[in-house]
Amino acid sequence: KAGVTQTPRYLIKTRGQQVTLSCSPISGHRSVSWYQQTPGQGLQFLFEYFSETQRNKGNFPGRFSGRQFSNSRSEMNVSTLELGDSALYLCASSSGRGEGVGDEQYFGPGTRLTVT
Amino acid sequence: AQKVTQAQTEISVVEKEDVTLDCVYETRDTTYYLFWYKQPPSGELVFLIRRNSFDEQNEISGRYSWNFQKSTSSFNFTITASQVVDSAVYFCALSEAGQGGSEKLVFGKGTKLTVNP
Repeated sequence: KAGVTQTPRYLIKTRGQQVTLSCSPISGHRSVSWYQQTPGQGLQFLFEYFSETQRNKGNFPGRFSGRQFSNSRSEMNVSTLELGDSALYLCASSSGRGEGVGDEQYFGPGTRLTVT
Repeated sequence: AQKVTQAQTEISVVEKEDVTLDCVYETRDTTYYLFWYKQPPSGELVFLIRRNSFDEQNEISGRYSWNFQKSTSSFNFTITASQVVDSAVYFCALSEAGQGGSEKLVFGKGTKLTVNP
């Protein structure tokens, strides 16, 4: 079974630009979550999508948004990039049985975003 | 509020030593789930174990073992006879039930383990 894939793996952007990251979950998984990892703040939850609906959202500004498609693939978008957005963005998928049962989440390799 | 504390920022051991990584959590829920993940230099988080709040049995998987104690809100991870390949950052995480089905994970800051030959 193929794992979680994320594209692109590396990205360099300039302040003020916007960026779109993509995540393809494990086949059959319906829940996709996004996390931001920085040296200072560690791993922080951005949002989770299940069946094309945002089910939970972390404490990030509105510049961070996402969506999920009918095939469960997900994208996240960051508009008006700031230097502080430089981070490793990790996507995770789980079966998402919809019961908050602590499903195991499987992570992709991440997208390393650098904002200059 | 949920919180996970990994007090050990970095640990360095010599191969074949045993090492324990500490994890203390805070939650108001009675139903919750605890996880350990490993992050090697490649960056991908690797799932190691999940434990629910009603199962306090310790678990052993090869050289890995986990000690869950609700009385002290701790979920510690021990590697026996450590190997160089165990070098990585290890994260403890917490997920609460009752989030509308959401699987949000709250992570600790991680413990960087270096195993020297």
